[in-house]
Amino acid sequence: AQTVTQSQPEMSVQEAETVTLSCTYDTSESDYYLFWYKQPPSRQMILVIRQEAYKQQNATENRFSVNFQKAAKSFSLKISDSQLGDAAMYFCAPRGGGSNYKLTFGKGTLLTVNP
Amino acid sequence: DAGVIQSPRHEVTEMGQEVTLRCKPISGHDYLFWYRQTMMRGLELLIYFNNNVPIDDSGMPEDRFSAKMPNASFSTLKIQPSEPRDSAVYFCASSLSQGLQETQYFGPGTRLLVL
Repeated sequence: AQTVTQSQPEMSVQEAETVTLSCTYDTSESDYYLFWYKQPPSRQMILVIRQEAYKQQNATENRFSVNFQKAAKSFSLKISDSQLGDAAMYFCAPRGGGSNYKLTFGKGTLLTVNP
Repeated sequence: DAGVIQSPRHEVTEMGQEVTLRCKPISGHDYLFWYRQTMMRGLELLIYFNNNVPIDDSGMPEDRFSAKMPNASFSTLKIQPSEPRDSAVYFCASSLSQGLQETQYFGPGTRLLVL
């Protein structure tokens, strides 16, 4: 079974600044996948970024990037040039490899963006 | 693509009534997932299907909950009889098993309130 820890229940950032959200996880699998989802007040779950554990290169999607440390089982999300629309709850979610399609979600980090 | 469609978006019912939540996955996707989100338990997977067949229902809380997928474009989650503790947001998600790159895309959710 996988466990996920998001140690920051809440974070705040000034508009245009950079913020990093932390996530650690525990898994016994060697091949797995990691996702960050955001949930704005509308409650829609939106994929932010994904990382394959077998890839050493950190994933990037425009202003969003990850710092993936496989040995430390750490998967942090960096948001650069923060925008008001980035305000949301952010969830870290690992998924097992092979035929294991279950996502395990952390408790989430509520990000506030201050103008 | 229209994305994952869920209905109804909001449901208010009285304890003891039957509740049916509906989901239409993204066309061509072969995996379908039902999640429940509450303040106490966060996001938890209830059940998922592959090619209309239930693969893992270990997250279904009790016999009052049942899920079906009669065809590739439709799934239901039924609660009978409903109880106040079933109040939550229920999400449906779908994905495509395309190599190891699958990503789960979520519907807008159904907010259920059981009085």
